[in-house]
Amino acid sequence: QKEVEQNSGPLSVPEGAIASLNCTYSDRGSQSFFWYRQYSGKSPELIMFIYSNGDKEDGRFTAQLNKASQYVSLLIRDSQPSDSATYLCANDMRFGAGTRLTVKP
Amino acid sequence: NAGVTQTPKFQVLKTGQSMTLQCAQDMNHNSMYWYRQDPGMGLRLIYYSASEGTTDKGEVPNGYNVSRLNKREFSLRLESAAPSQTSVYFCATYSPGQTNYGYTFGSGTRLTVV
Repeated sequence: QKEVEQNSGPLSVPEGAIASLNCTYSDRGSQSFFWYRQYSGKSPELIMFIYSNGDKEDGRFTAQLNKASQYVSLLIRDSQPSDSATYLCANDMRFGAGTRLTVKP
Repeated sequence: NAGVTQTPKFQVLKTGQSMTLQCAQDMNHNSMYWYRQDPGMGLRLIYYSASEGTTDKGEVPNGYNVSRLNKREFSLRLESAAPSQTSVYFCATYSPGQTNYGYTFGSGTRLTVV
């Protein structure tokens, strides 16, 4: 069965630190990968997508894709308390279970 | 521009009752999805519709039926609700284009079956 797996966490980092979130996938044919942020009681919202090997940066967020190793990561620089949420990795209709991030002031 | 609209937002059902969750989108996307989200299990795909007139089973279709009424609307029906169907249900659309790429979710329906 094709799967997307994430470290369930929780992950806690101090304000201003780098938060690193990881995701692995089993379908070698997967093309596009997405990172979603979900605040408690809310629906997921798209942060970034990536479909090429390497890094993609958008503000404080950097997505990294390594197709050979079948992993995707999300780095959040200068983490803020407002980044505290659950982060979901997704591809081809499949979502990981999410990693809960807490940024402590 | 509402995006993806789900109704109702909250619902309590008794075991064995039926109900339909409604989803409508104004984004002109072909693909629509129904997911359920349970604590610690992420989003699991129930059914999806790649285009008007087509529907396909996802990972957890048992106990559900869907109807793609037209391009805008995709409904999810529980014929005989069970406590195991207590969950948060999300409808989503998908855009493969360069703008608004990815999934857009509705605000969710919190369903409790007692």
